[in-house]
Amino acid sequence: NSKVIQTPRYLVKGQGQKAKMRCIPEKGHPVVFWYQQNKNNEFKFLINFQNQEVLQQIDMTEKRFSAECPSNSPCSLEIQSSEAGDSALYLCASSLFNSGNTLYFGEGSRLIVV
Amino acid sequence: QQQVRQSPQSLTVWEGETAILNCSYEDSTFDYFPWYHQFPGESPALLIAIRPVSNKKEDGRFTIFFNKREKKFSLHIADSQPGDSATYFCAASENSNNRIFFGDGTQLVVKP
Repeated sequence: NSKVIQTPRYLVKGQGQKAKMRCIPEKGHPVVFWYQQNKNNEFKFLINFQNQEVLQQIDMTEKRFSAECPSNSPCSLEIQSSEAGDSALYLCASSLFNSGNTLYFGEGSRLIVV
Repeated sequence: QQQVRQSPQSLTVWEGETAILNCSYEDSTFDYFPWYHQFPGESPALLIAIRPVSNKKEDGRFTIFFNKREKKFSLHIADSQPGDSATYFCAASENSNNRIFFGDGTQLVVKP
């Protein structure tokens, strides 16, 4: 059973609507990753955090997404204006260290943009 | 440029055979190479991982073979079982980097 908790499991949004997903990392894990997994199972890195600080993010995330990992609150990933191409499984993962350690994935939030 | 390449895209083997999944990487500074598996409807989970201090890592029926010179590593699943049917992802990362790069996955089907 995953100890990384993601909500909601599914969300359906119209084009142009906001879509927000949340993630509670495994306890004691300071690093959180967000990935987008498309229908071909391909992973796209979106952003990662160490504690509350953004470590890296891709251009798309910077422009159309907002993400945060506040202390004592779930991490969140929000698409400001959903597009059809955003339909995917959004996976949150946490780890003890930046890399070279196991990623523990949540069950994902599946976004469908209609 | 894709940092981690994986092949084949799909693989079908019979129960009892050895399944071989391949990965190659670009950046010679990568120093951690995990394999994850993902069953339908579930999230990816770590299966086995290797660091380049060794060229082989074994865990039960699962073995990673690592070739630093050629920047390749492979996952061998011995005595494949139908329950091994899943999508397998290789990945690579560098200790000083914050990114973990995934391959595009190999969909393995083990026929009884």
